[in-house]
Amino acid sequence: GENVEQHPSTLSVQEGDSAVIKCTYSDSASNYFPWYKQELGKRPQLIIDIRSNVGEKKDQRIAVTLNKTAKHFSLHITETQPEDSAVYFCAASIIGYSTLTFGKGTMLLVSP
Amino acid sequence: DSGVTQTPKHLITATGQRVTLRCSPRSGDLSVYWYQQSLDQGLQFLIQYYNGEERAKGNILERFSAQQFPDLHSELNLSSLELGDSALYFCASSVGSSGKETQYFGPGTRLLVL
Repeated sequence: GENVEQHPSTLSVQEGDSAVIKCTYSDSASNYFPWYKQELGKRPQLIIDIRSNVGEKKDQRIAVTLNKTAKHFSLHITETQPEDSAVYFCAASIIGYSTLTFGKGTMLLVSP
Repeated sequence: DSGVTQTPKHLITATGQRVTLRCSPRSGDLSVYWYQQSLDQGLQFLIQYYNGEERAKGNILERFSAQQFPDLHSELNLSSLELGDSALYFCASSVGSSGKETQYFGPGTRLLVL
């Protein structure tokens, strides 16, 4: 089955800095890669996703890049703010299946 | 608010007991997924139902079972509970099951087994 590795497990940045979280996946048949943000005690919420037919997608301060050859994808957050502090999860799903395999999460702490 | 509801919010029970968690998907969504979230294991997929039928199985223990009813709500049954079953249980829903749809998560049920 699919295996998703996520790094780093924790990330501390100063407000205004950029943050990058990286994930690798094992199954080349994976074609859908969402990113979820989970605040303490809350539900995971989708913040951005990318499908394998594109290499990059951007939404305001958030961007995701995908390298299918290397089987890795990354989340980029620019101009970080304290409210960006949360746990971020990457995930992958295989063509024809909607079940998601999640990475272990990255705790992002943005200090004012 | 994602539109997915889960009850109860919190559940405290003893080892050996059985509990039922309930999930109502977003209006129009046919797929329901159950996930277990513990500190050391992250978000683990348990099982998926699509329009009343089991569609996929993940790391679900034999002591656990689920079903989806004609009105599309789903229940996750956990039996012979152990201390290690203490976790946050999320359900999520999506429109279909093709792998292209967004999954929307409910608020979760926090289970504590004493």
